[in-house]
Amino acid sequence: DGGITQSPKYLFRKEGQNVTLSCEQNLNHDAMYWYRQDPGQGLRLIYYSQIVNDFQKGDIAEGYSVSREKKESFPLTVTSAQKNPTAFYLCASSDQFGGRLEAFFGQGTRLTVV
Amino acid sequence: EDQVTQSPEALRLQEGESSSLNCSYTVSGLRGLFWYRQDPGKGPEFLFTLYSAGEEKEKERLKATLTKKESFLHITAPKPEDSATYLCAVQAASGGSNYKLTFGKGTLLTVNP
Repeated sequence: DGGITQSPKYLFRKEGQNVTLSCEQNLNHDAMYWYRQDPGQGLRLIYYSQIVNDFQKGDIAEGYSVSREKKESFPLTVTSAQKNPTAFYLCASSDQFGGRLEAFFGQGTRLTVV
Repeated sequence: EDQVTQSPEALRLQEGESSSLNCSYTVSGLRGLFWYRQDPGKGPEFLFTLYSAGEEKEKERLKATLTKKESFLHITAPKPEDSATYLCAVQAASGGSNYKLTFGKGTLLTVNP
């Protein structure tokens, strides 16, 4: 089945630790995105990538880092510099170059700082 | 700056009671407007893309419409399984970040049997 796989589904992190969230897609999409969702707020863009080896900061990139070494993969690292990392993280991809604008989402990773 | 405002924040309906959700937007040239459905603890599920004013799309009990300033998601004779949060998003046609989606905060729909 084609889709977007995020892992793990739940993640617990101690304060001061870096943690990496995985996102893999087999839809052959060029564009990939990371969003953060907090209760009562809309999805906010952290980073996005249009092609391999290229990515841009979104609205709330501070304390996060990404890489795009392969078309299928777009991992997100939440660093210790992120002051309030507890949230629901969503990865998405879209076929922008193919003329399809809509983004398709994974099932999310819920990160909790303990 | 692109903005999306959804109303109401929450809506409670009886099964079979039709209604509409609103999405007002401000964007520097609309490339596309999107509707998603999100169930608790899950990622958003794509419903519709609308590209230009006057366009309409339907899927089962849902119908999305678009004007130059807002979009409506009409729900006809809803069932309890339609209960979810409905998200609206826009993508601008201009600017360096033209792949970015800007989301509203969503409308939480509850349909009681």
